Amino acid sequence: DTEVTQTPKHLVMGMTNKKSLKCEQHMGHRAMYWYKQKAKKPPELMFVYSYEKLSINESVPSRFSPECPNSSLLNLHLHALQPEDSALYLCASSQVFRGETYEQYFGPGTRLTVT
Amino acid sequence: GQQVMQIPQYQHVQEGEDFTTYCNSSTTLSNIQWYKQRPGGHPVFLIQLVKSGEVKKQKRLTFQFGEAKKNSSLHITATQTTDVGTYFCAVDNLFFGTGTRLTVIP
Repeated sequence: DTEVTQTPKHLVMGMTNKKSLKCEQHMGHRAMYWYKQKAKKPPELMFVYSYEKLSINESVPSRFSPECPNSSLLNLHLHALQPEDSALYLCASSQVFRGETYEQYFGPGTRLTVT
Repeated sequence: GQQVMQIPQYQHVQEGEDFTTYCNSSTTLSNIQWYKQRPGGHPVFLIQLVKSGEVKKQKRLTFQFGEAKKNSSLHITATQTTDVGTYFCAVDNLFFGTGTRLTVIP
């Protein structure tokens, strides 16, 4: 199973809402990532978890709160977002972080619209 | 994060023509990865290069890492409509280049 799943596929939320994005993998990978991708732009790194610990936070605003409850699951909690946060949110996983095998497997993404 | 620029930004080719995209950095890179993202899809890993001057081939795709490890290229021979998409290079598998969007005209 080389699949990374993400739920929901689409999400529309108001600026005062609280919502969560979920990502799951069952490949035994110990590194998981959140990226944000705006239309016609490259994926932009947000967070990296390695062995369930936060390794990288790319100066992401605190209205985005990541959580890694176990080695298979990664959540992104959203609160008080702005319309400019509307984007495709991609989750990815890899065997390890900064190991010899760099291949990342991406999920299909959650398309978020903030109204 | 490290910044890598890709050129060209867009490329339209006739089916059967060759295509090349270039990834350039002002600093020496320890590694580089290439990904393909189909329209409406997610990035899919193609290859990783780590050695100076390294060349790797996957069927019609040829990947090169420059001798100075500051640039890389992806060359597709005889493009097909299935090659349509955006090709990204990435550094440390974290920082993506600006991407080259390939359109193949049948």
